[in-house]
Amino acid sequence: DSGVTQTPKHLITATGQRVTLRCSPRSGDLSVYWYQQSLDQGLQFLIHYYNGEERAKGNILERFSAQQFPDLHSELNLSSLELGDSALYFCASSTPGTGDGYTFGSGTRLTVV
Amino acid sequence: GNSVTQMEGPVTLSEEAFLTINCTYTATGYPSLFWYVQYPGEGLQLLLKATKADDKGSNKGFEATYRKETTSFHLEKGSVQVSDSAVYFCALSRRAAGNKLTFGGGTRVLVKP
Repeated sequence: DSGVTQTPKHLITATGQRVTLRCSPRSGDLSVYWYQQSLDQGLQFLIHYYNGEERAKGNILERFSAQQFPDLHSELNLSSLELGDSALYFCASSTPGTGDGYTFGSGTRLTVV
Repeated sequence: GNSVTQMEGPVTLSEEAFLTINCTYTATGYPSLFWYVQYPGEGLQLLLKATKADDKGSNKGFEATYRKETTSFHLEKGSVQVSDSAVYFCALSRRAAGNKLTFGGGTRVLVKP
């Protein structure tokens, strides 16, 4: 167990629907990062939150949004889902100022049918 | 901007063979360098890291040396096992960029008995 918890592990939904992925960071970590991993595009950075504030955006679609709550858990909301959104979505957290890299959760596998 | 380039896979080896996965980077300043491993069906795990030039990171028989003169961080293992079959990601982070990790495209390694 890495200490980063992601739920659900698997999600199957239809095109056009909206889903919410949840991430609880490792205890003490203030940063949460979201990544999308698909077969054809590798690991794509989506967004970074630090202590409730958005810090950086990557290749995140306008249909996607995220937030980090006061208890530091984060949610990634995906709406108007398309077949191409099927992927593994990873959350990672890090300890500020250490440069120790990230601790990843085990991911949510989203399948859009 | 920052970028990481690693050799494309898949790399197929026999058990006890020598493994090298090449990784080169582009970054300003002095980034920290990492290797992550992703076993089938799991999230990414930190394998090893190096934070300054000439540092050698090592773990589980894997090694990588931070070579600033060649901007490289090649991963090596002297004798691979079937259990080393996984996808390996090289990554860098810079403190000035909020320690956001930039990943290479990943290299799939398959070790056959």
